[in-house]
Order: sequence, then C-alpha cells, then structure tokens
Amino acid sequence: SQTIHQWPATLVQPVGSPLSLECTVEGTSNPNLYWYRQAAGRGLQLLFYSVGIGQISSEVPQNLSASRPQDRQFILSSKKLLLSDSGFYLCAWSPGVMTEAFFGQGTRLTVV
Amino acid sequence: AQKVTQAQTEISVVEKEDVTLDCVYETRDTTYYLFWYKQPPSGELVFLIRRNSFDEQNEISGRYSWNFQKSTSSFNFTITASQVVDSAVYFCALSGHSNSGYALNFGKGTSLLVTP
Repeated sequence: SQTIHQWPATLVQPVGSPLSLECTVEGTSNPNLYWYRQAAGRGLQLLFYSVGIGQISSEVPQNLSASRPQDRQFILSSKKLLLSDSGFYLCAWSPGVMTEAFFGQGTRLTVV
Repeated sequence: AQKVTQAQTEISVVEKEDVTLDCVYETRDTTYYLFWYKQPPSGELVFLIRRNSFDEQNEISGRYSWNFQKSTSSFNFTITASQVVDSAVYFCALSGHSNSGYALNFGKGTSLLVTP
C-alpha cells in the first residue's frame, strides 16, 4: 500500500533562517506531488506541484522553492524565512489526473 | 475560473442530530471531479469521497451521504445521527482540466462541532 511521510511535524524557526521540509511517498511510482499551505483562515493554498523528477511548477510568487530530486521525494525550501511564512504545510500525492490526493501529516511552521 | 464555496464557516450541533454541509462550485470544465475531505484536530486531511461530473447518483456510506446536483452546481454532504467524533473541519474540493497540475482546488472549509 502507498504511504506518505512528511517531517518534521512541528518547527519553530527565527526570521531569516533557512527552511527545508521533506516529503516522501512509498509504494507507488511517478506520482504527482503537491505542496499546500494552510494559513490561520483554514483555506488550503497550492504552492507547488510536480508531475515528474525535476519538473516543478509554482503557483504563488514567494520566497519559497521546491525541488524533486527523486521520483518520490519532494522538498520545500527557503533561504530566508519571513514571519508571513508561518502556517501549516501539507504535502500530498496523487496517482493521476483528477484523482484524489493523499496527504501527509503536515508540518506546523512558526516563524518567530 | 475554478471556485469552490463553502458558505457555512462554523456549524454546531448536538449529538444525534443530522447536519448538512453545503458546497457550491464554479467551473468551465465539462469533465471534472468533486471531493470531500475531513480534517480532524490532528491536522491530516482524510479523503472521504470522489465524484465525477457525469455521475449524479447520490452516494451513501454508513452515516455519510452525498447529494450531487449539477443543475445547481452543488455537492452537499450530510452526516446522519452525528457523533462527537465527527467534529472536524470539512473541505469540499474540485479538480478539472483547468486546474494546474490537476491539483485540487479547495473551499475554505466548514468547521463542525458536535457536542454531547
């Protein structure tokens, strides 16, 4: 069966520090991968998606970036965090087009 | 443009009451899929159901039921005989050819509180 792992679960980082959140999927190949952010208002905002290794599309201009160095690995990064980067970050995968997405446990990031 | 509206921000019911969560969507796609997710306090999103735009049959799964009406662009979710464990935020979502990477486009969610 397929599983998705996302870590860390919680993170407190000072403003200006770097960020690296990692997500891996097991039990499937060539998944579509997604990073979402959920701010205090609860809505989920799509940040990045990837349909293959090295293929990253950004939905929202920001100081975040994403990479997909391996088929089932998706990384969210920042060189310098801002206060506004605080939120709940969710990684997700889907097996194909217009299919359900399966989410990781999420990372609660607080920038202080 | 793709849009999902969940007009109910918060709903509070007493255990054993029935409750309906509303979802209205907008899309220019002729083929699309609709979804419901549950987000308990732990934060992880749990997939509940997927429905395609050509299938308007209602679906029932235990205490959960879904009513899809293309004529009113609605995909409502009813919980029968609610329980305290149903307390969570519920999200409706849409995916179609217009969605970037076929990513799900979510509504803002409805927070459901079921009290004993």
